[in-house]
Amino acid sequence: AQSVTQLGSHVSVSEGALVLLRCNYSSSVPPYLFWYVQYPNQGLQLLLKYTTGATLVKGINGFEAEFKKSETSFHLTKPSAHMSDAAEYFCAVTETSGTYKYIFGTGTRLKVLA
Amino acid sequence: DTGVSQNPRHKITKRGQNVTFRCDPISEHNRLYWYRQTLGQGPEFLTYFQNEAQLEKSRLLSDRFSAERPKGSFSTLEIQRTEQGDSAMYLCASTKTDHYGYTFGSGTRLTVV
Repeated sequence: AQSVTQLGSHVSVSEGALVLLRCNYSSSVPPYLFWYVQYPNQGLQLLLKYTTGATLVKGINGFEAEFKKSETSFHLTKPSAHMSDAAEYFCAVTETSGTYKYIFGTGTRLKVLA
Repeated sequence: DTGVSQNPRHKITKRGQNVTFRCDPISEHNRLYWYRQTLGQGPEFLTYFQNEAQLEKSRLLSDRFSAERPKGSFSTLEIQRTEQGDSAMYLCASTKTDHYGYTFGSGTRLTVV
């Protein structure tokens, strides 16, 4: 069975500082991995995805993530935090066949300090 | 591309009442998913349609829940005899068959009082 663990339910960074949100997954088959962002009372917006190919994936709003198979990780980073990055971030893994349903982590709430 | 539309955005209902939510996916997307998100948690899979066929249901979906997608277009999620534990955000998402990465709607927040 697949699962996702997001370390740190709350992360605070200063504006301009590096953002690092951690995601580890468990999957018995090659996974497809995603990061989504959710603003209050909104749905989820896709930030980036890893399916195959290059393990360093660039997404929207300056975010990127690196798939590390040996560490079963897919951490999300951004070199310089902006106030508008304050939101909740979800990592998800999906099966590569069948329903393609997602298994989400419990989320990390990012706070950006002025 | 007008995105995934969900209605209503908010619903407050008394325990024991029935409620129905609607999801209009992106028109060319043939896969449609329903998820439930409770406070402080990530979304949890409820059910999935490919075109009009409901192909998988989570065990979270008790017999009080039913979902339909007539003609493979919009979908409805009905909850009968609502309970306080049904209070959550109900999210709909759609995607093309071989396209990884859902487009989510803004969700319907249900409060059962």
